[in-house]
Amino acid sequence: DAGVIQSPRHEVTEMGQEVTLRCKPISGHDYLFWYRQTMMRGLELLIYFNNNVPIDDSGMPEDRFSAKMPNASFSTLKIQPSEPRDSAVYFCASSSTGGPYNEQFFGPGTRLTVL
Amino acid sequence: KQEVTQIPAALSVPEGENLVLNCSFTDSAIYNLQWFRQDPGKGLTSLLLIQSSQREQTSGRLNASLDKSSGRSTLYIAASQPGDSATYLCAVRTSGSARQLTFGSGTQLTVLP
Repeated sequence: DAGVIQSPRHEVTEMGQEVTLRCKPISGHDYLFWYRQTMMRGLELLIYFNNNVPIDDSGMPEDRFSAKMPNASFSTLKIQPSEPRDSAVYFCASSSTGGPYNEQFFGPGTRLTVL
Repeated sequence: KQEVTQIPAALSVPEGENLVLNCSFTDSAIYNLQWFRQDPGKGLTSLLLIQSSQREQTSGRLNASLDKSSGRSTLYIAASQPGDSATYLCAVRTSGSARQLTFGSGTQLTVLP
């Protein structure tokens, strides 16, 4: 398996623009997680899905952030409008209910810079 | 709310030394604890996962221990090598919080040749 795939790997945009980050989980995994990593706050869970349904979005910072999972193999995290403080690395991870210890596997991340 | 602390924040050692990275957590009711490695500009690689019922896990030169009652875990790296240079993150899954991982801020390790 190719592992968790994220795109784009790098994104530079201007304040006010819409940004869409994409994630393809490992095939067969039924949980998908979105994390954000910054120097100030470290790694934070934003939202997670089980069987394509959002379970906990309490980590989503503002209404400007939204996430969807239209099917088992694809999820998006959208920021509209983007702000400079959204600059961070965004990670997607997936895990399987049937997997040992519910271990999470992480993608390579998307480095977002908002100017 | 679970909080995870890692000490030290940064560590520099000469090649060949054995070293210990520390992780502490405030809520001992955990399901498991996971150690990750993160290289600059890269994603997270899982190193070891310890279930709450286990005391330690070993993989090659790495050994992770867990003392759930005291809220502590250590990652022991034997015979360190320059290739071990990376940031090491500790994360816990608290019982009752489903699948959520709470991360520490990491220890940035530099192994000098």
